[in-house]
Amino acid sequence: QVQLVQSGAEVKNPGASVRVSCKASGYIFTGYYMHWVRQAPGQGLEWMGWVNPNSGGTSYAHKFEGRVTMTRDTSITTAYLELTRLRSDDTAVYYCAREKGDGYNPTDYWGQGTLVIVSS
Amino acid sequence: DIVMTQSPDSLAASLGERATINCKSSQSVLYSSNNKNYLAWYQQKPGQPPKLLIYWASTRESGVPDRFSGSGSGTDFTLTISSLQAEDVAVYYCQQYYTTPFTFGPGTKVDIK
Repeated sequence: QVQLVQSGAEVKNPGASVRVSCKASGYIFTGYYMHWVRQAPGQGLEWMGWVNPNSGGTSYAHKFEGRVTMTRDTSITTAYLELTRLRSDDTAVYYCAREKGDGYNPTDYWGQGTLVIVSS
Repeated sequence: DIVMTQSPDSLAASLGERATINCKSSQSVLYSSNNKNYLAWYQQKPGQPPKLLIYWASTRESGVPDRFSGSGSGTDFTLTISSLQAEDVAVYYCQQYYTTPFTFGPGTKVDIK
């Protein structure tokens, strides 16, 4: 069965960086894009971007360009999200989500979420 | 960016009643070459990740009860819960995946009256 297991919660100081991992299993990792979506406390969903696990190609929401990097390691079927120059308003639950295909499809499996708290 | 709006912000209905949520996109998400609407609906319960309910505006995801249905085309879409159940209490989001960024609507909270 498809599973996405994310790394644990993080507490970071403003200005620091965070890396969240998403371990995929139960399907062919390189066959499906991986998206990252975040949700601030009590707020809605915000799409951050995707990584193509096959090629490593990425597409980022403009808002995050310059601060976000999405990568993958196919040998261990894991996707990564790195966000730099953290601010207090980056405090959120970060989700990885598998796309139902390889571009321009909805997401059908989601990780459990990783809480990132940015606070001094 | 395509802006997604939803109405109402929240609704409360009795068990067994119909619940309807509307979603509007700031530009069409209908791709003319394949006649598909690039619009999905998700359900999110407290403390859980979102769950895909509907995609291509009206295709129900495997395992989703048939009381959930989607309709609409172009810029105006609707999610209908034909007979509201206690387990349907959640926040519902629409999302367009026509063009990046894949924007979400602000969500509609559904409760039992």
